[in-house]
Amino acid sequence: SQQGEEDPQALSIQEGENATMNCSYKTSINNLQWYRQNSGRGLVHLILIRSNEREKHSGRLRVTLDTSKKSSSLLITASRAADTASYFCATDAGSTLGRLYFGRGTQLTVWP
Amino acid sequence: ETGVTQTPRHLVMGMTNKKSLKCEQHLGHNAMYWYKQSAKKPLELMFVYNFKEQTENNSVPSRFSPECPNSSHLFLHLHTLQPEDSALYLCASSQGALDTEAFFGQGTRLTVV
Repeated sequence: SQQGEEDPQALSIQEGENATMNCSYKTSINNLQWYRQNSGRGLVHLILIRSNEREKHSGRLRVTLDTSKKSSSLLITASRAADTASYFCATDAGSTLGRLYFGRGTQLTVWP
Repeated sequence: ETGVTQTPRHLVMGMTNKKSLKCEQHLGHNAMYWYKQSAKKPLELMFVYNFKEQTENNSVPSRFSPECPNSSHLFLHLHTLQPEDSALYLCASSQGALDTEAFFGQGTRLTVV
């Protein structure tokens, strides 16, 4: 399978805590991306990390990439109730044509 | 508003019906995609179009028929569907190049009865 696989499947935390989600994949990649989906809606792009990058930040998001282990992590710091959503990693599986392959996602619930 | 619009948002159809899903993007992108999202499963990439040409068909049953008349519009024609085809169908667009992000529509929630 070319898809990313997120872990854990579900995560429940209190506001203010940090949330860490992991992603593993199987093929070589040019980049790995993280997306967010609110219940029953479309996906929204959060961050893209290239295969030659190890870490990237965007606001309260921190993404790491370890190509030797074929894994990535998404850290959301100081979480808020509004961060409640499903989070997906996606890889291009080495394609240069923009197609993406997703996993099942991690359902994050942040309690006020 | 992501610049990708899908209609209808919800659709209920019988197994003998024929219906179409529509997707339109206002972003000037070259590539458009159909994904299927079922409960407890990864998003499944169904079809890929680059510059109106279909470049990927991931073993999708023939009861799903895509059409891309131009780079801004994408359709998914449905006929003789099965209840297991009930899912959220998501359209996305991108520049269709290396290191580009995808922009998704809000999806069509399809229920086959």
